[in-house]
Amino acid sequence: NAGVTQTPKFQVLKTGQSMTLQCAQDMNHEYMSWYRQDPGMGLRLIHYSVGAGITDQGEVPNGYNVSRSTTEDFPLRLLSAAPSQTSVYFCASSRGQLNTEAFFGQGTRLTVV
Amino acid sequence: KQEVTQIPAALSVPEGENLVLNCSFTDSAIYNLQWFRQDPGKGLTSLLLIQSSQREQTSGRLNASLDKSSGRSTLYIAASQPGDSATYLCAATNDYKLSFGAGTTVTVRA
Repeated sequence: NAGVTQTPKFQVLKTGQSMTLQCAQDMNHEYMSWYRQDPGMGLRLIHYSVGAGITDQGEVPNGYNVSRSTTEDFPLRLLSAAPSQTSVYFCASSRGQLNTEAFFGQGTRLTVV
Repeated sequence: KQEVTQIPAALSVPEGENLVLNCSFTDSAIYNLQWFRQDPGKGLTSLLLIQSSQREQTSGRLNASLDKSSGRSTLYIAASQPGDSATYLCAATNDYKLSFGAGTTVTVRA
């Protein structure tokens, strides 16, 4: 069972470069979300989606874009990478946005130099 | 804005001792409270999900309680083992969003 798959696992970017972090789930979950994890700060919500074609901002959306053209995929785009975006990024999905278990990917460790 | 706090940040116990991990949250209007385990360099694995209408949830050696009125949840791990060493995160769900605590890193000494 694949669950939630994130690619790449590791990435180094130069300041100003752009890239897309991929996230795919095979559980037909409606709700998907992106978090970043920084030391001592827990996970913070970047963007989320309650279904194909619907996205919304979370707690820390600046510098990131998302789209949800299919149920399975929810890519996260960094428009112009900054050192402050050095973090571990996690994608999560759940069957519904409320009262259901969240499943997480293995994370993407991003370093911006 | 929901604020979730986990104290202590780190805990070290000898094998066999029971573990008690605390989680507090400021907004009691939650839909559920989830406990996750995270191993170094890995993603999060869901351990227990407590609905807002429930007081506790159990799975094997794990038991989690929820007191919405006081804004607290506690994760109990019975008879700890070295394999329980990990970081444990709690998350409260409000609207469409999970709010996480910073986690408690547990070390179980053999």
